[in-house]
This record gives sequence, structure tokens and C-alpha cells, in this order.
Amino acid sequence: DVKVTQSSRYLVKRTGEKVFLECVQDMDHENMFWYRQDPGLGLRLIYFSYDVKMKEKGDIPEGYSVSREKKERFSLILESASTNQTSMYLCASSLYPLESGYTFGSGTRLTVV
Amino acid sequence: GENVEQHPSTLSVQEGDSAVIKCTYSDSASNYFPWYKQELGKGPQLIIDIRSNVGEKKDQRIAVTLNKTAKHFSLHITETQPEDSAVYFCAVQEYGNKLVFGAGTILRVKS
Repeated sequence: DVKVTQSSRYLVKRTGEKVFLECVQDMDHENMFWYRQDPGLGLRLIYFSYDVKMKEKGDIPEGYSVSREKKERFSLILESASTNQTSMYLCASSLYPLESGYTFGSGTRLTVV
Repeated sequence: GENVEQHPSTLSVQEGDSAVIKCTYSDSASNYFPWYKQELGKGPQLIIDIRSNVGEKKDQRIAVTLNKTAKHFSLHITETQPEDSAVYFCAVQEYGNKLVFGAGTILRVKS
């Protein structure tokens, strides 16, 4: 019973490519989030969305953008991929207000070469 | 913004022993503190959480304690088993629905 689905588990892209990471949730959650996970740095928030067509910058938004055209889908876009964006990307969703934490997807491991 | 520090970064225990992971935070207004477990190849999963009006919460072998005055909270795992081996993250709710995460603790349970 997968609730947050990330479209790819592994992705290899070339420097300068435009990259789309897709995330879909089936729990009718209002809030969706994109984090990147790097060893020793924990989870850092890139962007989040409280509702359809709404987005807010997180702590490390540079080089990224997002799109939320439908409630269930939240896309992360790397405008021009660079090697320092090689990382694990995690999507999460939650109710508003926050009652029982986030539900995370399994992650997308992106390698930029 | 909120600053969350998590210690230790790695923890190795013998099967059957207890494990304790501690997190400190900076914003005294924070009132929701979840803990996540991440197994290899999976996303983090919520294992226990606590709100600021409660000092301790237990769920079988895991417990969380909160000291609001000192601004720290801890995860306690008793009678550790090999399947407890994972990365554990603490988190603190910032404004709205944002969670700020600690850097994570790699727990290894040796059998």
C-alpha cells in the first residue's frame, strides 16, 4: 500500500540537463515537501507547498524549482543539473495541521555526471 | 530559524542492550517532536512522536522523553534487536508544517 510514490529510484543525468523528479501521493494531503539527503547533513528542505499552485522556498532552493498543478502531484525541477546536485531526493506529504508527521516516498538517487 | 543538533552520529550496541539518541533544539516555541527510522533503500518512517504538553511517551520497546526547559528530547530503544539497525532522525516542527531534521544517527545492533 504505497502512499507516496516517487517516479524513479535511480536516475543518471548529464551536467546542464533539465531534470524532472515526480512525486504523487494518494492520501489527499494538503502539504507536500522536497528534501535532499546527504551524509552527515541530514534532510534539508528544498521547497514545499501548502496547496495547489502554492510554493515556498525551503532552506536550499538555489538551482531548483517546483510545480504543483494538482493536489496529489509535486514535481521538483533541476533547471540545469550540476554535479553538486548529486544526492538522494525525498518527497513527503502531510495533513494540515501537522497531526502525525510526514509520509515519505522511497527516494530518488540522482547522479549528475 | 530552528537549529536541531543530534548526537551521537553513530552508535553501536550489543543485541539486548539499550540505545539512546539525543537531540537539542533552539526555538522554545516548538511543540511537536517526531522521530523517524530509515532502513536501507527506503524513505524515513515515523516511529514515535511527542508534543510539548507531554513529558514522555512509550510504544513497546521505544520511548521518547522531552525536556522543554532544557530544549532537548531523546529516543530510547530497549532490548535492541538486529532489525533496529537503521538511521534515526529527530525532527522539530517549525512554523506552519515545516519540520527541521537532525543530521541522523546510524545505529548498529551487533548480534
